[in-house]
Amino acid sequence: GAGVSQTPSNKVTEKGKYVELRCDPISGHTALYWYRQSLGQGPEFLIYFQGTGAADDSGLPNDRFFAVRPEGSVSTLKIQRTERGDSAVYLCASSPYSRADTQYFGPGTRLTVL
Amino acid sequence: GESVGLHLPTLSVQEGDNSIINCAYSNSASDYFIWYKQESGKGPQFIIDIRSNMDKRQGQRVTVLLNKTVKHLSLQIAATQPGDSAVYFCAENTLNFGNEKLTFGTGTRLTIIP
Repeated sequence: GAGVSQTPSNKVTEKGKYVELRCDPISGHTALYWYRQSLGQGPEFLIYFQGTGAADDSGLPNDRFFAVRPEGSVSTLKIQRTERGDSAVYLCASSPYSRADTQYFGPGTRLTVL
Repeated sequence: GESVGLHLPTLSVQEGDNSIINCAYSNSASDYFIWYKQESGKGPQFIIDIRSNMDKRQGQRVTVLLNKTVKHLSLQIAATQPGDSAVYFCAENTLNFGNEKLTFGTGTRLTIIP
């Protein structure tokens, strides 16, 4: 079946701009996650959704980052007033029920802030 | 703080040989471990997992070994192929309800020499 998909695959923006990154999880997966991956590093946790609600947003670096999942399926990660340090690959993952399950990752969105 | 790390950042192996990738973890509460493979430009791909009540688990050409005494995890890939070239991450999780958190190590780059 279809895996996790993310759009766009690449996003280039200017410092100070607003961006939205989209994630389509595997159909029927209740749990959804956002991670950030810098070059040469492992993915870093940002936020975890259980259904429509953010069950754990402890990984969001500051209040410029926000994510929503209004219908419990598609999620959007929103970054306001982007900074050069936000440049990274943003990965989305989903799992059937909870964080105790195996997480399946999408291809990521490479964000470059000029 | 608690962390997951890897002993070797790079590893080159002749095609057809076996490879071993090592990982150390320090969180004694971790009870679920996963190996992910990440190819260039793609998201992490689940390879194999193991729970703390086991010390060995085998898949197709892959074996994961867990030594809880020394908090060490390894991934063995048999008869390596060019398609095995990638970055490999170990990740740890806890299965305690409400405390689950997937934490990744830095990664090891495996290169298969034809």
